[in-house]
Amino acid sequence: ETGVTQSPTHLIKTRGQQVTLRCSSQSGHNTVSWYQQALGQGPQFIFQYYREEENGRGNFPPRFSGLQFPNYSSELNVNALELDDSALYLCASSRDRGGTEAFFGQGTRLTVV
Amino acid sequence: GQNIDQPTEMTATEGAIVQINCTYQTSGFNGLFWYQQHAGEAPTFLSYNVLDGLEEKGRFSSFLSRSKGYSYLLLKELQMKDSASYLCAVRVRNTGGFKTIFGAGTRLFVKA
Repeated sequence: ETGVTQSPTHLIKTRGQQVTLRCSSQSGHNTVSWYQQALGQGPQFIFQYYREEENGRGNFPPRFSGLQFPNYSSELNVNALELDDSALYLCASSRDRGGTEAFFGQGTRLTVV
Repeated sequence: GQNIDQPTEMTATEGAIVQINCTYQTSGFNGLFWYQQHAGEAPTFLSYNVLDGLEEKGRFSSFLSRSKGYSYLLLKELQMKDSASYLCAVRVRNTGGFKTIFGAGTRLFVKA
């Protein structure tokens, strides 16, 4: 058990809606990264949060936004959902932003219809 | 641009050794990771290299050559449970911090 938990596990949304995904990081970890993984592909980096501040961002539009809270848990928000946003969303936590090992949660499977 | 290449699929026999290669073209290199991902599950960390050379961890070893933009993951004494996707990932310095770029993964099939 990695200690990283994500909720919900599955979600169905309609195009144009907004969604919030949640992640609780492993105890003692202050860095959280979010990834989008399409079927048969590697995870694509969305952004990383370190001590409540965004610490790096991938090539995702501004409608993908996030937060990290004082307890280092995190949220991923996606506005104006598109069909192509359907994917597995993974959260990973690590001991610090230069950490050598990241622990992934089981992911949230988002389906946009 | 940033790019990571690894073979799409490999097949190997139980008990054998397999080497999964990864080449990358990135700027701001800050470390290379290997992850294992079974179908329907989250990736799990296998290894990390930031300096050139070989890192050994039980049945798994990972090698890095920064000058060649090349890494490999070596799996020894293959077991059926090693059938999974193996993801090569490179961390790079990004504006404001870091980002991690993943390859598409190599699906390994271990046969009896």
